[in-house]
Amino acid sequence: QKEVEQNSGPLSVPEGAIASLNCTYSDRVSQSFFWYRQYSGKSPELIMSIYSNGDKEDGRFTAQLNKASQYVSLLIRDSQPSDSATYLCAVNTGNQFYFGTGTSLTVIP
Amino acid sequence: EAGVVQSPRYKIIEKKQPVAFWCNPISGHNTLYWYLQNLGQGPELLIRYENEEAVDDSQLPKDRFSAERLKGVDSTLKIQPAELGDSAVYLCASSSFPENGELFFGEGSRLTVL
Repeated sequence: QKEVEQNSGPLSVPEGAIASLNCTYSDRVSQSFFWYRQYSGKSPELIMSIYSNGDKEDGRFTAQLNKASQYVSLLIRDSQPSDSATYLCAVNTGNQFYFGTGTSLTVIP
Repeated sequence: EAGVVQSPRYKIIEKKQPVAFWCNPISGHNTLYWYLQNLGQGPELLIRYENEEAVDDSQLPKDRFSAERLKGVDSTLKIQPAELGDSAVYLCASSSFPENGELFFGEGSRLTVL
């Protein structure tokens, strides 16, 4: 079982819609959780971090964490074509970061 | 503030040749990581440094890969000899607070082995 699991997609949403990206993790001692955005041919860029259960909002992005279910999600409201990228979920267990394989998102104008 | 700097951005070599990648982390970041990323995959850790000490190199193929971080700042990752399967993007990242910190990546070094 992989440490971090993501649906690879691709996920397509129309412009202006809400994109929902999901991630599950296996290590219950995981302490912090991150979403990275990676454009094609570029390196990952941190967009959200979340450390406690509940929701965390930053502009059009909302990260949701449920430690009991070992589940992290990212909602992108009012999706824009510029949001088209691969989104990587990352989990820090305190000793190491584990990355998922990423979900490819395409926002259709 | 300057980000993580890596060089070269691209490298094409013949198999069995050596190659080296260089990384300069964000100023003040004591933790430095080298990751390997294959197409369609997430980054996979090769080695993690705390200052000049390699604290996790369990995933580094030590028969052909080596790394160093002299003086706890810049780092070099070397492959000798390179194999076809080493073609990938090598990412360097740094962090100021590894336990709950955030990783900041460089632009990566894309290696093609022919």
